[in-house]
Amino acid sequence: GAVVSQHPSRVICKSGTSVKIECRSLDFQATTMFWYRQFPKQSLMLMATSNEGSKATYEQGVEKDKFLINHASLTLSTLTVTSAHPEDSSFYICSARRGAGGNYEQYFGPGTRLTVT
Amino acid sequence: GIQVEQSPPDLILQEGANSTLRCNFSDSVNNLQWFHQNPWGQLINLFYIPSGTKQNGRSSATTVATERYSLLYISSSQTTDSGVYFCAPRAGGTSYGKLTFGQGTILTVHP
Repeated sequence: GAVVSQHPSRVICKSGTSVKIECRSLDFQATTMFWYRQFPKQSLMLMATSNEGSKATYEQGVEKDKFLINHASLTLSTLTVTSAHPEDSSFYICSARRGAGGNYEQYFGPGTRLTVT
Repeated sequence: GIQVEQSPPDLILQEGANSTLRCNFSDSVNNLQWFHQNPWGQLINLFYIPSGTKQNGRSSATTVATERYSLLYISSSQTTDSGVYFCAPRAGGTSYGKLTFGQGTILTVHP
């Protein structure tokens, strides 16, 4: 199989603090990982594409200074929500790409539910 | 970018019934995946199906890329099939690498 883990699964933090979310591909190497955000009863919205060893590519409207992404190895990408505010509360999901070229599948982590108080 | 439309938005079934979920997309694609998001939020890969037909247990999927649609069939529904089903095609060109998610079909299976 292709397993992607995320940690933590749930986090509550105070407004103004930073939170780091880890995404790991457990049984395959992933040069590319993706970070999504999902609001209740809505679809997934792509935030950024994370490439190992290079800068992330952010989608339009996503603040790169607020959502810091680091893809330090072929099995680990991190998302840091800096100076979190209540409007950042959401379900954050990562995925990892397995395969190369134009023929690959994405596998998703279990998600992290962030609540900012 | 590519537009994705899923239908129906909601589907309520009795256990044992069959269902067909549809995904229409606005542009040519070189990849398409179907996912099931369970009540805990985990997305489970169902099918990788840029074209043709695949079967997996009680489910099957068909993508007709030339007509820009994909279908997901679920037979003999069980309560554990409940959740949200997403279709996510990937277009080529400038959108290379990105899956675009539809709004999903919420499936509820009653015992």
